[in-house]
Amino acid sequence: GQQVMQIPQYQHVQEGEDFTTYCNSSTTLSNIQWYKQRPGGHPVFLIQLVKSGEVKKQKRLTFQFGEAKKNSSLHITATQTTDVGTYFCAGPGTPLVFGKGTRLSVIA
Amino acid sequence: IAGITQAPTSQILAAGRRMTLRCTQDMRHNAMYWYRQDLGLGLRLIHYSNTAGTTGKGEVPDGYSVSRANTDDFPLTLASAVPSQTSVYFCASSLTPQSSYNEQFFGPGTRLTVL
Repeated sequence: GQQVMQIPQYQHVQEGEDFTTYCNSSTTLSNIQWYKQRPGGHPVFLIQLVKSGEVKKQKRLTFQFGEAKKNSSLHITATQTTDVGTYFCAGPGTPLVFGKGTRLSVIA
Repeated sequence: IAGITQAPTSQILAAGRRMTLRCTQDMRHNAMYWYRQDLGLGLRLIHYSNTAGTTGKGEVPDGYSVSRANTDDFPLTLASAVPSQTSVYFCASSLTPQSSYNEQFFGPGTRLTVL
């Protein structure tokens, strides 16, 4: 099945700084999903992108799907301590193919 | 019940013992999944079920078995636990097996320690 590579594995930022995680595939993806897992919690679905070049926003979070549908990114503007956690992308498959995640820590 | 429940919440188990982790969903989802997440790492798929009566192997199936007798329940059994099975186990479900346009809903997890 398809694999999705996620970078970076870890990111430490000062509160108020921006953060971006990237998800890349060697093949074209029909869609991509993003999940967030808070420390000690379970993964929770954030969003799904389907269209080439699609951009969706959720408050300070901006999700993009590449024009070639081989990559995606999640950008957080002005991080807050509530953004701490691991962010996973997931590519299509039966079942879903999860990336290894980017763990974000925010230093207050 | 709302969503997915897992039991127990946590368990300490002696090596060699048999253990069944329970998972129940009330969303009438067709597909269900079991993942393990080792400390600080990503999710690894153990087994999945596309619909009641069928199961499939994921990335790390050895040492685990599952059954899907009905839509709601998807228990995971460790026949003879070993310390390397110490992990957090998440059950998840989705409306259909096809990943496209289908989000997965995760249970709260079971933290298992094998000594």
